[in-house]
Amino acid sequence: EAQVTQNPRYLITVTGKKLTVTCSQNMNHEYMSWYRQDPGLGLRQIYYSMNVEVTDKGDVPEGYKVSRKEKRNFPLILESPSPNQTSLYFCASSLGGLASETQYFGPGTRLLVL
Amino acid sequence: GNSVTQMEGPVTLSEEAFLTINCTYTATGYPSLFWYVQYPGEGLQLLLKATKADDKGSNKGFEATYRKETTSFHLEKGSVQVSDSAVYFCARGGAGGYNKLIFGAGTRLAVHP
Repeated sequence: EAQVTQNPRYLITVTGKKLTVTCSQNMNHEYMSWYRQDPGLGLRQIYYSMNVEVTDKGDVPEGYKVSRKEKRNFPLILESPSPNQTSLYFCASSLGGLASETQYFGPGTRLLVL
Repeated sequence: GNSVTQMEGPVTLSEEAFLTINCTYTATGYPSLFWYVQYPGEGLQLLLKATKADDKGSNKGFEATYRKETTSFHLEKGSVQVSDSAVYFCARGGAGGYNKLIFGAGTRLAVHP
């Protein structure tokens, strides 16, 4: 089954404790991205990757890191989480990077930073 | 600027009622336009899209027409079902030609029997 998977689905942590949210897709997609969803704001892009070893900042990159060492994986790293990073996070992928392409979303990771 | 504005919810309807969720966008040029739906506890999935002016996207009884004159992409359905209860997001393709989606705030729809 074609899908985007994320782990964990739920996470409670404390300020300053490094964490990683994994994202994997099995569709051989080149483009992957991370969004955060906050009430009243919709989804905002954190980082994106056009291909292996090619990443760039989205609209709200502060406090996050990403890497793209393999085509299928695009982990999101919070080196020192803070309470304002409490949010619902979605990973997405698409075949290429054209603005007309459909993006496929993972199920989401709900993060609470105390 | 580049933004998407959609009507605030929640929208509460009875089954078989007509649905309209308004969406307008700002952009230079003619971006691709999308409606994504988020069912409870799930990620977003594409509902429909239109990639050029005057195109109509349709799926599962939902329709939206790309109106460049009014910079709008309103979502409509003639007869909603309880199973349509979800959050609906209007989005446009990002600036610069690459695949960043710019989302509206989302509209929650609740359909009662």
